[in-house]
Amino acid sequence: DTAVSQTPKYLVTQMGNDKSIKCEQNLGHDTMYWYKQDSKKFLKIMFSYNNKELIINETVPNRFSPKSPDKAHLNLHINSLELGDSAVYFCASSQDPAGRNEQFFGPGTRLTVL
Amino acid sequence: AQSVAQPEDQVNVAEGNPLTVKCTYSVSGNPYLFWYVQYPNRGLQFLLKYITGDNLVKGSYGFEAEFNKSQTSFHLKKPSALVSDSALYFCAVRDADTGGFKTIFGAGTRLFVKA
Repeated sequence: DTAVSQTPKYLVTQMGNDKSIKCEQNLGHDTMYWYKQDSKKFLKIMFSYNNKELIINETVPNRFSPKSPDKAHLNLHINSLELGDSAVYFCASSQDPAGRNEQFFGPGTRLTVL
Repeated sequence: AQSVAQPEDQVNVAEGNPLTVKCTYSVSGNPYLFWYVQYPNRGLQFLLKYITGDNLVKGSYGFEAEFNKSQTSFHLKKPSALVSDSALYFCAVRDADTGGFKTIFGAGTRLFVKA
C-alpha cells in the first residue's frame, strides 16, 4: 500500500546514455513533482504537473523531459546523461497545487553517472 | 520572491533535553510553512504545517512549531528529544499570494541526539 513509489531505486549508468525513472502515486492526488537532491542534500524543484498539465518547469536542461500519462503517474526521462546529473531524484505528490497541502515523497532514485 | 533560511547546518542535543531547529522565511504575501524530516536513504516525511489560525502548530512525533509573523520565523521544537529524532530536517515555504505553484525548501538542518 505504498503511497508514492519510484522505480528503480538505484540507477548506475554511463555518460551519454538515456534513462527513465518512473513514479506512481495511489493517493488520488492531482499534483505531482520531481525534485533533485544533490550531494549536499539541497532539494530543488524541477517539474510539477497538475492533472497532467505542466505547471512548473524550472531552469533544467532540456535533456530532462517529464511525461505524465495520467494523474497517477509522472515519469522522468533523461537524455545524454552527464556526470553532474548524479543525484537522488524524488517524486512527490499533493492534493492540489495551491500549496495548502503537504507533499508526499517517494523513496528516491539514486542516479550515478560514471 | 520567496526564500527560506535554516541558519544551522547541524544541531546537537542530549536525549531528554528540549530541541529547537530554526527557520526564517521571506515572502511578499502570506506564508504557508511546512516542516519535513528525512531519515537516511528515505524520502521526506511531512511533520507539520502552518496555513492560518493558531500560531502554535502541533505535528507528528511530538513536534511543534510556532509561527512568528513579526520575526518571520517558524522554529521547530520538541520538549524532550529522542535518539530516534536524529535526522535531517527541512523547513519549506510557499507564498500564498504571489508564489505560484512553487514550494521553496531550506538547505536542511541535521539534528544529532546523543544518548
